Amino acid sequence: GENVEQHPSTLSVQEGDSAVIKCTYSDSASNYFPWYKQELGKRPQLIIDIRSNVGEKKDQRIAVTLNKTAKHFSLHITETQPEDSAVYFCAASKLTGGFKTIFGAGTRLFVKA
Amino acid sequence: GAGVSQTPSNKVTEKGKYVELRCDPISGHTALYWYRQSLGQGPEFLIYFQGTGAADDSGLPNDRFFAVRPEGSVSTLKIQRTERGDSAVYLCASSLTGSGATQYFGPGTRLLVL
Repeated sequence: GENVEQHPSTLSVQEGDSAVIKCTYSDSASNYFPWYKQELGKRPQLIIDIRSNVGEKKDQRIAVTLNKTAKHFSLHITETQPEDSAVYFCAASKLTGGFKTIFGAGTRLFVKA
Repeated sequence: GAGVSQTPSNKVTEKGKYVELRCDPISGHTALYWYRQSLGQGPEFLIYFQGTGAADDSGLPNDRFFAVRPEGSVSTLKIQRTERGDSAVYLCASSLTGSGATQYFGPGTRLLVL
């Protein structure tokens, strides 16, 4: 069945450093890849997404890259701040023919001040 | 405007009992999703509604789980003969449409089956 693997499970960085989280997906028909941030005890919130017709998307300190051939996509956070500390989830779904969204297991990011 | 709301926020029940979990989506959102999140895991897809119909229920773990959305707005997830393994946070999300639109999550219902 469909699967999304996410690495690392935990990531600790110093404030100001960059953080990279990587995901791979199994369903080659997936063409929509959102990323969610979930703070402790709160609901997941979308932070950025990418569709398969582009290879990279950037929004201020956050960027996402997609390699369709390898079925990899990654989240890059630059100039990390303590408030970036949270659990980040990648996900994969299809824009047509079914909207089932498969989530990765999450990456707990700690940004040390 | 108001976001997605879920009730109750917490539910404690005994093994074998029946529970209903409610989701109120954002007004005007046609798509509604149910997920289950266990500790330390990502949300696990259960079911997706487009309007009143269940467009994809392939994530429901077994026939003890059922969900309805009779008027295309509020949805209820129903779990019969609850088991301890059903304990998790049940998340609801809605989006304006189903296709690549941002999913807005509710706060979740924390279900504990004793």
